[in-house]
Amino acid sequence: KAGVTQTPRYLIKTRGQQVTLSCSPISGHRSVSWYQQTPGQGLQFLFEYFSETQRNKGNFPGRFSGRQFSNSRSEMNVSTLELGDSALYLCASSMGPPTEAFFGQGTRLTVV
Amino acid sequence: GQQVMQIPQYQHVQEGEDFTTYCNSSTTLSNIQWYKQRPGGHPVFLIQLVKSGEVKKQKRLTFQFGEAKKNSSLHITATQTTDVGTYFCAGREVGTASKLTFGTGTRLQVTL
Repeated sequence: KAGVTQTPRYLIKTRGQQVTLSCSPISGHRSVSWYQQTPGQGLQFLFEYFSETQRNKGNFPGRFSGRQFSNSRSEMNVSTLELGDSALYLCASSMGPPTEAFFGQGTRLTVV
Repeated sequence: GQQVMQIPQYQHVQEGEDFTTYCNSSTTLSNIQWYKQRPGGHPVFLIQLVKSGEVKKQKRLTFQFGEAKKNSSLHITATQTTDVGTYFCAGREVGTASKLTFGTGTRLQVTL
């Protein structure tokens, strides 16, 4: 079956702009989590959605938001982009805890 | 908040040598998972441990979960160049099942 699909794969934005990233989970998976990966900070948890409800949120400013649709697809939005938001954003889907997470290829965001 | 540290941050071994990475959580975990991320790739699930003191093997890889469920280790016997990558542990704090916190990662380099 198809894996987790993230779009776009690469993105270049200017400081102050906003961006929306998309994640399509594996069919049947209702849990979607988002992570920010940077060389210095590793994999940082952003938030987790299950059946359209945000169940947990990491320590990120309110500029980072997300949502999940009824078909389990998820989007995350970052407003007022800062240089420090440059990172690989990874989405992972699962049947729900405590099952394994399947990651997408990620979206590489560069803020200039 | 919960912190999950891994040591070492980086290890360079010659093919055939053994390798171990250690994972320590600041809080008790309900379970722990291990992932491998190849250079330029995304994290891929390796295994999950649930019980205190649990040991699991996958060919040359041996995973352990500590008695107190706050630490874990991954040992690779006779490394091969295909083992190159970053190994992450990831744990769910007791009572926060929806949040999977990743460790800081150990990057393994294997040379002939």
